[in-house]
Formats: sequence, structure tokens, C-alpha cells
Amino acid sequence: GESVGLHLPTLSVQEGDNSIINCAYSNSASDYFIWYKQESGKGPQFIIDIRSNMDKRQGQRVTVLLNKTVKHLSLQIAATQPGDSAVYFCAETGYNAGNMLTFGGGTRLMVKP
Amino acid sequence: NAGVMQNPRHLVRRRGQEARLRCSPMKGHSHVYWYRQLPEEGLKFMVYLQKENIIDESGMPKERFSAEFPKEGPSILRIQQVVRGDSAAYFCASSPLDWSYNEQFFGPGTRLTVL
Repeated sequence: GESVGLHLPTLSVQEGDNSIINCAYSNSASDYFIWYKQESGKGPQFIIDIRSNMDKRQGQRVTVLLNKTVKHLSLQIAATQPGDSAVYFCAETGYNAGNMLTFGGGTRLMVKP
Repeated sequence: NAGVMQNPRHLVRRRGQEARLRCSPMKGHSHVYWYRQLPEEGLKFMVYLQKENIIDESGMPKERFSAEFPKEGPSILRIQQVVRGDSAAYFCASSPLDWSYNEQFFGPGTRLTVL
């Protein structure tokens, strides 16, 4: 079936560098995408979202890019900090999916001091 | 405003016992979702409920699993006759409105271990 997937299971970056986490989705009907951060032993925490009528959205130190042509989503974290170490999931949904979120497999971000 | 609350946070059961997981949505939220997460994997949708109604249970196993969200009280995810494969983290999320690009707020999860 259709799913959301990630290219890199683990990403290791130096503190202060920028991080880019990628996600590929295959459901062309999806029109709402969310990035979640999950720290060990905790529930997913909302980071940023984007609708399909946009190709870029910025938050505080984070930017999400959406390329609908190639069905690709990315999360950019500027000046990565040790507190950013976590597993990051992209999730997708759409009107036809009701309120069901489909999650990708996750990327573990490790920040080296 | 308290967030989504789940209890217990950790639950240990022996094979064949029943597990009952509780979820209290955020204040003002009437939509509840349950997800299951196996170690080192993403979350998988199980069921979507509104007060006294199951809206979508397409992710629920056909046997042993049930969910409810009564008019009063928390949402309950019930697993009968647990097996080792049920060991996972179960997350509840809530949202205030029907489909309108609203964020789902997640609870801290219940980690079920089946011995």
C-alpha cells in the first residue's frame, strides 16, 4: 500500500551545523504534512506542518520544504543543538484519509558536541 | 491547560491477561486517536473515535482489540488475551475539530510489556 518513507535512518551532525532530514511520500492524494520530534520515552511532539498549496514554511530554526512533483518533504534545522537529538518522523494525511496520520519510519538525529 | 494524559505509563501483563489503556484528551477536544509503535518503528494508526462513536477502526486488529470513548470519562483501549507480539508503545492523540488541518496532540504513551 501507499506509505511515507525516509531515506536515512540515522543522521549524525556536529553541534552548530545545519541538519536536513528527508522524507518521501507516495500518496499523491495527501495534502497535509507534519514533522514530529520524538525524544526517548516520550510521545511525538509537533514541530511544523505544511499544506500542499505551499512549498516552504518556516518556523523557529526549522524550515519544511515540500516538492509535490517528486513527492518529497524535508525538514531543515538551523544551528543544530544537543537538545535537537531525537527521532524525527514525517506524517501525511489528506481529506480522503479522514483524520488518519500515516507516519514514516523515522530518522534518528544525533548531535555531537 | 493540561495536555493529553495517558495511564498507566508502563504496564506489564502475562500472556492471556487483559490490558486496559486509558487516554484523557486535552480539554475541549472531542476526537481521540490511538496509535501503536513497535521499537525502532514509526507509529501505526489503530482507531479514531469521537464521543460514543467509532469513526475509523481500519487499523485495529480484528480480534482481541477494542476501543471506546464514552460520553463521560477517558477513552479506553482494551486488549484481551495479550500475546508477546502486543508488546509496544501505545499512543493516544486528540484534536479539537473534525478534518480541518488540525494538529493532533499526542500523549506520553503507555508502554505495554507482555511476559
